Parts: sequence; structure tokens; C-alpha cells
Amino acid sequence: GAVVSQHPSRVICKSGTSVKIECRSLDFQATTMFWYRQFPKQSLMLMATSNEGSKATYEQGVEKDKFLINHASLTLSTLTVTSAHPEDSSFYICSADTGANVLTFGAGSRLTVL
Amino acid sequence: AQSVSQHNHHVILSEAASLELGCNYSYGGTVNLFWYVQYPGQHLQLLLKYFSGDPLVKGIKGFEAEFIKSKFSFNLRKPSVQWSDTAEYFCAVNAFRSSNTGKLIFGQGTTLQVKP
Repeated sequence: GAVVSQHPSRVICKSGTSVKIECRSLDFQATTMFWYRQFPKQSLMLMATSNEGSKATYEQGVEKDKFLINHASLTLSTLTVTSAHPEDSSFYICSADTGANVLTFGAGSRLTVL
Repeated sequence: AQSVSQHNHHVILSEAASLELGCNYSYGGTVNLFWYVQYPGQHLQLLLKYFSGDPLVKGIKGFEAEFIKSKFSFNLRKPSVQWSDTAEYFCAVNAFRSSNTGKLIFGQGTTLQVKP
């Protein structure tokens, strides 16, 4: 079946630094990928839609300059958390539509900002 | 605004007990409905989905869900749970007017703990 891979699975960084998270579709092409954020004991919140070859579409309340998304190829989307702060600590999950309107999710990346 | 509500936050059952997890959504138009499961340490996996047709849908691992349009509900059921069903369960809705599939609205999630 379709597989979405995320890397790294865990990352710890110092406040003020930037962190890049990769999302890859391993056996299919994804023109569109989606980035979600999940706080402990809470639901998944859609942050942005990543479109191959064009600008990402951000949800209301999500800072574009804070969460940079790049979708340079049909199999790779990256999320960069710039100038990270402790409040950015969260679980970031990407997903891709494999066709037939069903999403496949990556395993997630846990970011801890010290 | 669209929303999804899961009534049970934490459910504890013994093996072989029956399961029903509630899910209600608020949206007046056509929707696609999903249940996802997240086993400990693993990623989200699709359990089942409803797009149209028979409102009773069957998914993997013996799960089923019934779409009741008049009640805006999509409850998940399993006649007899197993210890391996211990996981987090998420109901999700995709409003038909949404411009892309990824605009899923998720419920808060229900933690199911099955005691052996």
C-alpha cells in the first residue's frame, strides 16, 4: 500500500533555531500533501496544504513566515519551523492523498524546543 | 464552522465486550466521513470511510460504522473487542464543498483501553 515517510521522527532543538521536517511519498506521487499539528491529548489540526510547484495554502491563524512549506517535487514536502520557541513543541504529521479521496499519514515528527 | 465531536474521551473495556464510539458532526451539506485508528507508537491508519451508498460501512479488523444523516452521526462499532484494539480512535469529516481532501476536521479522539 501507499506509504508516507516522515523524518526525523523526533527532534530536539534550542529556542531560536530552525528545524526542517521532511515528508516523502515512497511509492506514489503526491501533488498535494497536508501538514497537521497535534497537541497532547488533543485532536489533529490542519496547518496547511502543500502544493507541488506552487505556494502552500495556510489555514487561518497559521503563520506563513513561521512555518515554511516547500513542495519541490512530487514525492517530497518539507516543513521548516523557523526561530522555534517552546510553544512550537508539538507533534507534526503529514499526509498525502493517494487517490480516491483517502489520506495516508506519516508516522509524525515530535518537536521539542528547549 | 464545521466541527466534529467524539463523546467518549476514554473508554475501558474487557476483551469480548462490545464497542460503540460516538461521533457527531456539524455541517448541513454532503460530507465524507472517516474513522482513523492510531495504535501506540504508530501512525494514523484508515479504519473505514463513508462517501455514499449503504450507510452501514464495514472496515478492517471487524469494525463497522453507521451513517445516520438525520442525527449527523457516524458511530463506530465492533461486536467483540480484543486486547489488540487498544488504541486512539479519531473520527474525521471532509465537507464536500472543501476544495481539497486534506481539509479533514478531526474529532478530539477516543482512547480505547481493552483489558485482557
